[in-house]
Amino acid sequence: KAGVTQTPRYLIKTRGQQVTLSCSPISGHRSVSWYQQTPGQGLQFLFEYFSETQRNKGNFPGRFSGRQFSNSRSEMNVSTLELGDSALYLCASSLAGSGWNSPLHFGNGTRLTVT
Amino acid sequence: QKEVEQNSGPLSVPEGAIASLNCTYSDRGSQSFFWYRQYSGKSPELIMFIYSNGDKEDGRFTAQLNKASQYVSLLIRDSQPSDSATYLCAVHRGGADGLTFGKGTHLIIQP
Repeated sequence: KAGVTQTPRYLIKTRGQQVTLSCSPISGHRSVSWYQQTPGQGLQFLFEYFSETQRNKGNFPGRFSGRQFSNSRSEMNVSTLELGDSALYLCASSLAGSGWNSPLHFGNGTRLTVT
Repeated sequence: QKEVEQNSGPLSVPEGAIASLNCTYSDRGSQSFFWYRQYSGKSPELIMFIYSNGDKEDGRFTAQLNKASQYVSLLIRDSQPSDSATYLCAVHRGGADGLTFGKGTHLIIQP
């Protein structure tokens, strides 16, 4: 079974630009979560989607948004990029959302560098 | 503010010994607990999860949970150099909340 696929693997953008990241979950998984990983803050929860609906959102500004399509694929968008947005963005899929009966499986991530 | 605390390390353990990784959490409402392993430059991979007080064993790995003390640990028996990685502790409150991760413990297994 194929794992979680994230594209692109690497991105370099300039401050003020916007970026869209893509995630294809494991087949059969209906939940997709997004996390930001930085050396200083570690892994931080961005948002979770289940059946095309955002179920929860972490403590990030409105510049960070996402959506999920009917085939469970998800996209994350960051507008008006700032230098501090440079990070590894990880997508994780699960059968039914975060929790003991539905562990997260992470993709390889998209490394975003903002200059 | 939900917090998960881990000693950042590095924790150095000789090959063949038991590595003990610890994690404390602040949210008493946390219901499930996860250990992920992350190799440098790679994404986190799930090692095991636990949700009941006590021990849970899976091969060389044992997770221990003490909800009264808000403490969860991971023991790695017969440590191998391939176990060298950063170990992330994560907790989940339940419902639609995302996981709250600790910043990880860097484990080094010395041959």
